[in-house]
Amino acid sequence: QVTLKESGPGILQPSQTLSLTCSFSGFSLSTSGICVSWIRQPSGKGLEWLATICWEDSKGYNPSLKNRLTISKDTSNNQAFLKITSVDTADTAIYYCAREGSRTFAYWGQGTLVTVSS
Amino acid sequence: DVVMTQTPVSLSVSLGGQVSISCRSSQSLVHNNGNTYLSWYLQKPGQSPQLLIYKVSNRFSGISDRFSGSGSGTDFTLKISRVEPDDLGVYYCGQGTQYPYTFGAGTKLELK
Repeated sequence: QVTLKESGPGILQPSQTLSLTCSFSGFSLSTSGICVSWIRQPSGKGLEWLATICWEDSKGYNPSLKNRLTISKDTSNNQAFLKITSVDTADTAIYYCAREGSRTFAYWGQGTLVTVSS
Repeated sequence: DVVMTQTPVSLSVSLGGQVSISCRSSQSLVHNNGNTYLSWYLQKPGQSPQLLIYKVSNRFSGISDRFSGSGSGTDFTLKISRVEPDDLGVYYCGQGTQYPYTFGAGTKLELK
């Protein structure tokens, strides 16, 4: 059974760095073809893909966030991470991690709400 | 970036009815490997999105055959037949053909 669970700080202040963790089970990020992605959704709005990391350590980033994103993984502990630097109120959203296979998001976590506020 | 345009924005349906949702991409979604990476997701109220259809027309594990996907190139359709109460929510199309992956703005399915 594939499960994913996101964790984060809940609330942080503008200009800080957001650190998110995706803990998963039921698959390994060392398996060929498997990737984990981060997607976010501001309240009442649509979905925005942020970044992907794959089994062989290839990475993809959404250029709309320029150089603010860093994705990484800990294969031994079944975790993936996302850092977003210099956050502002526009980064307030629910952040999801998802297992990606065949370029589709087959399994999603429950999401973690991140609020950026002074 | 590939822009995904969904229509309509919202849809009212009677239980047992049939609906279609359109999704158009600003560029062809045919990948160099010949596959077309167009997926459909449903987000029920208060829940995470769930995968319904991948690669245009393939139903994900456990998805009812009342859901069907079709299309090619830049023009895609999701059809839902015999609508049930559990089908209500927001439907998104998404493309995985090229980075950055992008999604449509969503179509809200409501009861008439």
